[in-house]
Amino acid sequence: AQSVSQHNHHVILSEAASLELGCNYSYGGTVNLFWYVQYPGQHLQLLLKYFSGDPLVKGIKGFEAEFIKSKFSFNLRKPSVQWSDTAEYFCAVNGFSSGSARQLTFGSGTQLTVLP
Amino acid sequence: AAGVIQSPRHLIKEKRETATLKCYPIPRHDTVYWYQQGPGQDPQFLISFYEKMQSDKGSIPDRFSAQQFSDYHSELNMSSLELGDSALYFCASNQGGNTGELFFGEGSRLTVL
Repeated sequence: AQSVSQHNHHVILSEAASLELGCNYSYGGTVNLFWYVQYPGQHLQLLLKYFSGDPLVKGIKGFEAEFIKSKFSFNLRKPSVQWSDTAEYFCAVNGFSSGSARQLTFGSGTQLTVLP
Repeated sequence: AAGVIQSPRHLIKEKRETATLKCYPIPRHDTVYWYQQGPGQDPQFLISFYEKMQSDKGSIPDRFSAQQFSDYHSELNMSSLELGDSALYFCASNQGGNTGELFFGEGSRLTVL
């Protein structure tokens, strides 16, 4: 079974501060890793994804994430946050078994509040 | 580009009533996933369909059922509704179930009174 842990439940930052949200996953095989963002009252939007190749992945809105296989981690980073980044962030993993994709498993989410 | 369409966007029901949510995947997507997101919670996988057959099953209550039709749209049927069923229900789709990335709809918000 696959699982995802997000250690920060609520993060409060001032504008221009740097952001790092932790994500660790548990799965024995090949995984795809994702970060989704959910603005208040809205649906999930893909920020970035890692399938293979360069472990440093760049996404939309200046976000990036680094896949560290040895640590089973996929932390999300942004050098300078903006007030508009206030949202809930979900890390998700999709484990592969015998070539068949399975459903996404989400972490519990991190609520980011950016103070103007 | 066309996205995943869900209807209705909002639904209010009484306890013990039934509700049906519909999901229209992105054209040429043959795999549909249903998720339930309770207030302040992460999305929980309910069920998925690939080529009109159930492909995976998560924490879907026995009171719920779903199917995928020949045009690949899917419906989630919920009966004997309980207060705890109040949630945002997301549908997602992809092609072949093998690409990893899921494309989400805007969700259907169900309120059970």
